[in-house]
Amino acid sequence: EPEVTQTPSHQVTQMGQEVILRCVPISNHLYFYWYRQILGQKVEFLVSFYNNEISEKSEIFDDQFSVERPDGSNFTLKIRSTKLEDSAMYFCASSEAHSTGELFFGEGSRLTVL
Amino acid sequence: QKEVEQNSGPLSVPEGAIASLNCTYSDRVSQSFFWYRQYSGKSPELIMSIYSNGDKEDGRFTAQLNKASQYVSLLIRDSQPSDSATYLCAVNGDTDKLIFGTGTRLQVFP
Repeated sequence: EPEVTQTPSHQVTQMGQEVILRCVPISNHLYFYWYRQILGQKVEFLVSFYNNEISEKSEIFDDQFSVERPDGSNFTLKIRSTKLEDSAMYFCASSEAHSTGELFFGEGSRLTVL
Repeated sequence: QKEVEQNSGPLSVPEGAIASLNCTYSDRVSQSFFWYRQYSGKSPELIMSIYSNGDKEDGRFTAQLNKASQYVSLLIRDSQPSDSATYLCAVNGDTDKLIFGTGTRLQVFP
């Protein structure tokens, strides 16, 4: 069964360092997303991406965050200068069609900022 | 501020019983409604979607939607210990993003 894959599964970094989280969405999906979940809290939307550009972003997704699709398969989230409050589980998701809204999530990348 | 509200639980039910999970949402233009299951330390897994008023059944799961009351529910029949998880209600309207509730923790005891 096709699935969304994410790497790394866990990353520990020092405050102020740059982090790149990687995702390979399901191959025939056209819409890509990043969500995050701080421990014990709700899943929060960060950004959506379609046709090689951001289609929507939340207020969390400030100038420290960026996304790109450098090739036909990978979808990355970059945090330029990490802060302690960026510690969370980051989930990549993809969807075949926006109209259905049925998102399929990867297993997540746990980011710990020290 | 668009909100999705759920009782955090835990909701404890005996094995074989019906578990009833509820969700309300604030945005009247919401069009699509989803239930995700999340095991501890894992990612959300889509279990049901519903788009129109009424009931939708899939195996042991039934989703119910009432747009007038802005209310979505999930019934799990013949609950099993393996159903023990957090159940997330999610809603979207005319934008890309899903808005999630905080989830209801379900415990099914043998």
